[in-house]
Amino acid sequence: QKEVEQDPGPLSVPEGAIVSLNCTYSNSAFQYFMWYRQYSRKGPELLMYTYSSGNKEDGRFTAQVDKSSKYISLFIRDSQPSDSATYLCAMSVPGGFKTIFGAGTRLFVKA
Amino acid sequence: DTGVSQDPRHKITKRGQNVTFRCDPISEHNRLYWYRQTLGQGPEFLTYFQNEAQLEKSRLLSDRFSAERPKGSFSTLEIQRTEQGDSAMYLCASSSPHGESSYEQYFGPGTRLTVT
Repeated sequence: QKEVEQDPGPLSVPEGAIVSLNCTYSNSAFQYFMWYRQYSRKGPELLMYTYSSGNKEDGRFTAQVDKSSKYISLFIRDSQPSDSATYLCAMSVPGGFKTIFGAGTRLFVKA
Repeated sequence: DTGVSQDPRHKITKRGQNVTFRCDPISEHNRLYWYRQTLGQGPEFLTYFQNEAQLEKSRLLSDRFSAERPKGSFSTLEIQRTEQGDSAMYLCASSSPHGESSYEQYFGPGTRLTVT
């Protein structure tokens, strides 16, 4: 079993839709949770990070962490065609430097 | 441009040849990471430097792989006697030494290696 599981998709939504992206994990020691966006043939770009449980909002993006369920989510409001990319979740333990990534979910937003 | 840079962006080599990649991190970042990413997968951790010290090396990194970071600035990743299975995107990332910002890694554009 992988430490971090992420549905690879693809997920296809119409422009303006609310998108929900999710990851589950098995290591209860993870405390730092990150979301990256990766366009084709480019390096990942950090979108948001959250420490421990709770919500964090940044513009159209909201990250949620539920440590009791070992489940994290990224919501994208008013999705745009420019949001079409692969979204990677990533996690680290405190004091650690090894970040574990999910496989990524491919998102397509249709105009 | 003050982001992470990598060179070359693409490398095609024949099996058995040696290749070397370079990464220049964001200037104030003392932490540097190398990852490998294959199609349809997330980045896999290879190794980590804090300043010039290599503090962790993944089991994925066979003896054919070596990484250096002289003087704690740029880093190089060398693959000796390349194999077709080494074909992948090699990503470099850096992060700040300060508090929780150390968990925010900034990636370069990657070096795409094709071994024929």
